[in-house]
Amino acid sequence: EVQLEESGGGLVQPGGSLRLSCAASGFILTTYWMSWVRQAPGRGLEWVANIKHDGSETFYLDSVKGRFTISRDNAKDSLYLQMNNLRAEDTAVYYCARDWWSLHWSFDLWGRGTLVTVSS
Amino acid sequence: DIQMTQSPSSLSASVGDRVTITCRASQSISSYLNWYQQKPGKAPKLLIYAASSLQSGVPSRFSGSGSGTDFTLTISSLQPEDFASYYCQQSFSTPMYTFGQGTKLEIK
Repeated sequence: EVQLEESGGGLVQPGGSLRLSCAASGFILTTYWMSWVRQAPGRGLEWVANIKHDGSETFYLDSVKGRFTISRDNAKDSLYLQMNNLRAEDTAVYYCARDWWSLHWSFDLWGRGTLVTVSS
Repeated sequence: DIQMTQSPSSLSASVGDRVTITCRASQSISSYLNWYQQKPGKAPKLLIYAASSLQSGVPSRFSGSGSGTDFTLTISSLQPEDFASYYCQQSFSTPMYTFGQGTKLEIK
């Protein structure tokens, strides 16, 4: 079955760090760009970061630039998001999503998400 | 940055109704517009890509149209399973993307 599964969320204090993981199965991860998308409680979707299929290029939402790092290990079929200096406004469900090209880009596969809560 | 604005923010409708949701971009994005459905506690699901192409497995009652700055998602005859939130997303500024704020479709 083609799927993504996130892990690593939890409660962290402001200024703390957390590392999210996303395990891919049922498809060849190395052929896809991958993204992280988040959703604050009761709010809409917000793209956070993405990474080229070979890891050579990364892009970030301005508000997380310098604090978050996206990476991948294609040999382990895994995507990661290292989050440092966390703020209350980073509280959200974090989804990993597959960037898919057909006529143009969209997100055709999503994980179930992992909740990150930043609070003292 | 390209801003995406959806209207309405919420909508009440009945089973069998025809429903239209609008998404407007702050600048022209050609046809680089996608639509997603999200049910409570679940991940989003791709419905429409490139403004009007139906994703595999999505019922034909869903359709999308538009280009430039104005886009619509239409559900021709609402079914009970269609009550959810809907989001538009632009991919014009790839590889960085923005979503609309969402439209919550509720049962009347």
